[in-house]
Amino acid sequence: QVQLVESGGGVVQPGGSLRLSCAASGFTFSSYGMHWVRQAPGKGLEWVAFIRYDGSNKYYADSVKGRFTISRDNSKNTLYLQMNSLRAEDTAVYYCAKDIYGDYARTFDIWGQGTMVTVSS
Amino acid sequence: DIQMTQSPSSLSASVGDRVTITCQASQDISNYLNWYQQKPGKAPKLLIYDASNLETGVPSRFSGSGSGTDFTFTISSLQPEDIATYYCQQYDNLSITFGQGTRLEIK
Repeated sequence: QVQLVESGGGVVQPGGSLRLSCAASGFTFSSYGMHWVRQAPGKGLEWVAFIRYDGSNKYYADSVKGRFTISRDNSKNTLYLQMNSLRAEDTAVYYCAKDIYGDYARTFDIWGQGTMVTVSS
Repeated sequence: DIQMTQSPSSLSASVGDRVTITCQASQDISNYLNWYQQKPGKAPKLLIYDASNLETGVPSRFSGSGSGTDFTFTISSLQPEDIATYYCQQYDNLSITFGQGTRLEIK
């Protein structure tokens, strides 16, 4: 079945780095744009980043621009989020989500279960 | 940035009730609006896309309407399994923003 499985979350100190992964299965990963969306504890949803199906175009929220990098490996059906210079306000559950199209349609039809990132000293 | 104002922030209703949630955009977003359901401890689920289109497999008691700046999400007859938080999400221009959510409880 169609599935997204995130991994790589954990506890990291402020200023530290972490790389999240999202393994896709059950659909043609290389045909679809992919996103990261996060949710701080007890809060609402915040879009983080997008990558086009072929990796040729990327967009970021202002809150993470210059610190986070989205990438993908279509040969491994895997999406990544490299997070550097982490701050306490980056603490959240991070979801990967599939776009309905290969480009920036911004409708998320499949979501992973999420991975928790805690930034704390 | 386009701001989305969702109301109410919480809502208590009885099984069988008609439930309505509204979402107002800070500027005209045409029909570039989706609705998601998030149950406790779970990932969000797409219910309505392009303001009024029902996602495949979603029960017909869910519906959406509106365009421009004002949008409405309706559950025609509330069921116990509909207990969740509901979010609107706009995608006009290059931006993506969510409403703050509406927590729906059973009375």
